[in-house]
Amino acid sequence: GAVVSQHPSWVICKSGTSVKIECRSLDFQATTMFWYRQFPKQSLMLMATSNEGSKATYEQGVEKDKFLINHASLTLSTLTVTSAHPEDSSFYICSARMGGSWGETQYFGPGTRLLVL
Amino acid sequence: TQLLEQSPQFLSIQEGENLTVYCNSSSVFSSLQWYRQEPGEGPVLLVTVVTGGEVKKLKRLTFQFGDARKDSSLHITAAQPGDTGLYLCAGGGETSGSRLTFGEGTQLTVNP
Repeated sequence: GAVVSQHPSWVICKSGTSVKIECRSLDFQATTMFWYRQFPKQSLMLMATSNEGSKATYEQGVEKDKFLINHASLTLSTLTVTSAHPEDSSFYICSARMGGSWGETQYFGPGTRLLVL
Repeated sequence: TQLLEQSPQFLSIQEGENLTVYCNSSSVFSSLQWYRQEPGEGPVLLVTVVTGGEVKKLKRLTFQFGDARKDSSLHITAAQPGDTGLYLCAGGGETSGSRLTFGEGTQLTVNP
């Protein structure tokens, strides 16, 4: 099956610092990657859609200057939480879409737990 | 805006019991995915169904896509403690483009 990795798996940082999270598709090329945020015992909330070589599309209410997304290649997308604050603490998950005959199936990374002190 | 209603939200059962989780929508989806997520991990794909009326079986799990492609169900037979987790349905395609519309999730606990 398709494998998506995320790094780091968890991070603790001080308020005001920036944190970068990497999402990689290991055995397939992903023209589209997605970034989600998840609160405990809740479903996933889509933050943005990242397309290789173009600007990310952000969901309503998500600050694009706060959550910077760069999709540098067909196997790598990064999410940078700038000037992080305690309210940004959450579980961030990326997914990669395998196109073609696989349709809209998305494969998820293992997630990154962010704790801002 | 497409919505996917998932029920029940919480389910606690004894080992050996059967259960069914439902996902319903007024919108048509070109595909429907089911995921299972354990605490602190990302969702793991269980199945993708794309044809109206399609039934797929994965060991003790049976997935069905409604004829009109607006609803889906997941049935687990003889549940085991290892089945415990958050089950998510997600619909794709039609008006949502490449995005997935997620249900609210079903937190399943199977007690030994």
